[in-house]
Amino acid sequence: LAKTTQPISMDSYEGQEVNITCSHNNIATNDYITWYQQFPSQGPRFIIQGYKTKVTNEVASLFIPADRKSSTLSLPRVSLSDTAVYYCLVGDQAGTALIFGKGTTLSVSS
Amino acid sequence: GAVVSQHPSWVICKSGTSVKIECRSLDFQATTMFWYRQFPKQSLMLMATSNEGSKATYEQGVEKDKFLINHASLTLSTLTVTSAHPEDSSFYICSARGLAVNNEQFFGPGTRLTVL
Repeated sequence: LAKTTQPISMDSYEGQEVNITCSHNNIATNDYITWYQQFPSQGPRFIIQGYKTKVTNEVASLFIPADRKSSTLSLPRVSLSDTAVYYCLVGDQAGTALIFGKGTTLSVSS
Repeated sequence: GAVVSQHPSWVICKSGTSVKIECRSLDFQATTMFWYRQFPKQSLMLMATSNEGSKATYEQGVEKDKFLINHASLTLSTLTVTSAHPEDSSFYICSARGLAVNNEQFFGPGTRLTVL
């Protein structure tokens, strides 16, 4: 079973900020939280990873509360090209495989 | 980030034939590689985990004699779909992890298999 729960779908308009929240109630002490983006017929692409508090890179921010039972991926000013499926995964860095949940299909309209 | 490649990117074969898909880590040594399968509008499903030089570990419900995995070197893993059937048609994605990349998991671009 996947370790995470996300909304199945979200809709947005160009230029808006999009926040996708993921629940991971049973996250382990050694687990990191990683978000991937996937376009149709392509492999998943790494977006961002964090362990606690806030992480920001050039494409997104990741907010993780102190209890780490959830996380929120924030995409600033989305564009049409951000239409994709977004997966939230938790796992350690000891070499075990990442298990995918259903992901969130984000649709951005003009 | 590190790069993982797959070959071929797509393949069409006749029912009953075997197909080999290659997965390579181009700029790091992959101590562990993973194979996933993805059906249309579904999520990725882990098929098996392979460590260099040892036998692959298959997930429940995945036939090891049908999906042969070989991880002969630290940069190459192959998945062979034997006696392919139309229901094996899917998108196959590999990924790799290595100590040099902090054990992060990098994914290949995927291979579309269509069995006629």
